[in-house]
Amino acid sequence: EIVLTQSPATLSLSPGERATLSCRASQSVTSYFAWYQQKPGQAPRLLIYDASNRATGIPARFSGSGSGTDFTLTISSLEPEDFAIYYCQLCSNWPPEYTFGQGTKLEIK
Amino acid sequence: QVQLVESGGGVVQPGRSLRLSCVTSGFTLSTNGMHWVRQAPGKGLEWVAVIWFDGSRQYFTDSVKGRFTISRDNSKNTLYLDMNSLRAEDTAMYYCGRGSGANHAYVDRWGQGTVVSVSS
Repeated sequence: EIVLTQSPATLSLSPGERATLSCRASQSVTSYFAWYQQKPGQAPRLLIYDASNRATGIPARFSGSGSGTDFTLTISSLEPEDFAIYYCQLCSNWPPEYTFGQGTKLEIK
Repeated sequence: QVQLVESGGGVVQPGRSLRLSCVTSGFTLSTNGMHWVRQAPGKGLEWVAVIWFDGSRQYFTDSVKGRFTISRDNSKNTLYLDMNSLRAEDTAMYYCGRGSGANHAYVDRWGQGTVVSVSS
């Protein structure tokens, strides 16, 4: 079973700053990797799939990168609505196993 | 537009059963794999189960294997999660979600969730 570890647990930044969130897999990932955003009281929303592709309607300030064991979500210039919890997720090839990281809380400084 | 609406949650005693439903609209259910994902109070997301677009395959997280069943009725645009032998640790918000990509790897649309509370 692949374990995803996100860092930091909490990230305190101000609007306009750049945010860099990390997700490390316990073994090399050769399959499907995504990032989600969840705001309080809301369902999660898919941001990034296949490690670097933005989902429909996601602003260009969100970008994903990485391969192997290390993946990054970057928000180039934080907007007030970006403060939320972010989860990484992977799906292994076969048999499919779906795993979420524990989340990074992005809070206003 | 795409909508997923869960129902069936509630308070149930340990060892009892519950059936969750997810009614979908705005897309063709029969062409999509579907997931259940849960979130315990104050905790992160935990994937629970997936069912292939045609119902031919189902996969579960280890903690619910043998207790939960996922099924679908494409003619009714509805996804189900049958939960048996419920435990306190099954207490959570349960979300249904539409799968996308190969192996239905991602959840690209989510419902608003239904709360399950297992307590004596």
